[in-house]
Amino acid sequence: AQSVAQPEDQVNVAEGNPLTVKCTYSVSGNPYLFWYVQYPNRGLQFLLKYITGDNLVKGSYGFEAEFNKSQTSFHLKKPSALVSDSALYFCAVRAPNGGATNKLIFGTGTLLAVQP
Amino acid sequence: DGGITQSPKYLFRKEGQNVTLSCEQNLNHDAMYWYRQDPGQGLRLIYYSQIVNDFQKGDIAEGYSVSREKKESFPLTVTSAQKNPTAFYLCASTLTPGGGISGNTIYFGEGSWLTVV
Repeated sequence: AQSVAQPEDQVNVAEGNPLTVKCTYSVSGNPYLFWYVQYPNRGLQFLLKYITGDNLVKGSYGFEAEFNKSQTSFHLKKPSALVSDSALYFCAVRAPNGGATNKLIFGTGTLLAVQP
Repeated sequence: DGGITQSPKYLFRKEGQNVTLSCEQNLNHDAMYWYRQDPGQGLRLIYYSQIVNDFQKGDIAEGYSVSREKKESFPLTVTSAQKNPTAFYLCASTLTPGGGISGNTIYFGEGSWLTVV
């Protein structure tokens, strides 16, 4: 069965410092991987995804993520954090042969807190 | 503007009452989904629909019902059989859900809060 793990409930970082939000996955075959961000009391906003090709994926708001097949990871990164990046971040995976359901499996989320 | 509209934003349910959450999309997406979000548990799939007049149960369908009479609409009814309905509910949609197109992005509405009073 496919699954996603976000090992940190919360990540604290000072503004201007680089940030990393970790995600590991378990799926048969080559995965499709996604990152979403959720601000308080709002829906999820799509940040970026890995389907195939270059392992480094660039997305919205200066975020990027690196797909590492050997470590089954897809960590989210940003070179310089902003206070406005403070939010809840979700990693999600879909198996390549997920059939017609197209279902995403979500991690439990990581709260990013950026201190000024 | 194109997007997914959920209403109402806040809804209160009395014990034994059924309530319906609305979800409308003008993105011409084929598939629509309902997720439930509880703190510390991530998102769990309630129901999904790939085409009009067809839908399937997700992981936590008990106590919920849906309909898909129109492509753009996928309302969720929380019935009295759902014993713990207080949660944040998210509607989502995506283009063609068929196999081999699993890289399509799922887009979300702004969510609806349901509270039992």
